[in-house]
Amino acid sequence: QEQLVESGGDLVKPGGSLRLSCAGSGFVFSDYYMSWFRQAPGERLEWLAYIGGSGSSIYYRESVKGRFTISRDNSGNSLSLQMNSLREEDTAVYYCARGPDIVTETTANMDVWGQGTTVTVSS
Amino acid sequence: DIQMTQSASPLSASVGDRVIITCRASQSVRRYLNWYQQKPGKAPKLLIYAASTLQSGVPSRFSGSGSGTEFTLTISSLQPEDFATYYCQQSYSTPLTFGGGTKVEIQ
Repeated sequence: QEQLVESGGDLVKPGGSLRLSCAGSGFVFSDYYMSWFRQAPGERLEWLAYIGGSGSSIYYRESVKGRFTISRDNSGNSLSLQMNSLREEDTAVYYCARGPDIVTETTANMDVWGQGTTVTVSS
Repeated sequence: DIQMTQSASPLSASVGDRVIITCRASQSVRRYLNWYQQKPGKAPKLLIYAASTLQSGVPSRFSGSGSGTEFTLTISSLQPEDFATYYCQQSYSTPLTFGGGTKVEIQ
């Protein structure tokens, strides 16, 4: 059974740091692009970053570039998101997901999602 | 950034109704368009990818169509478990973007 499980969400003060993790199982982790998303209460989903299977291709949305770092450990089947200089507007549920591989229309989707981990940034 | 705009939310419907949700992209995304279902407190679930391909395990009452800038998600006969929020999402260019969501609620 293909599965992703996030961990690491917490309450943190503005300006603080947090590292989220995502453990994959049931599939060959290194074969897939992986992504991080977030969803603030009552808001639409927001893509944050994705990383290629080997870790050599990485893309970020502009608003988190320089503050967030995506990485992966294929030997441990894990994905990480290091978040620095956190702001109150970073408060959200954070999801990891498998995909997208944007080379083709049929692979440019996220077909496996974790259950989410909650990050609250507040003084 | 490519803006994704969905039909009005909420959408009130009854069990057995045919429901159509529309999604418009601010520029062409070809067929790099996916649909997700999300229930409260849960992760999104992929329903349709590449505009019209049904994800494995998704009931055949769900279908998608369109290309370029105009897309639709159709539920042919609404079932009780289909009351949820539906999002379109484009993967044509970064940043990947989602529509605002269409909540299907019980009439």
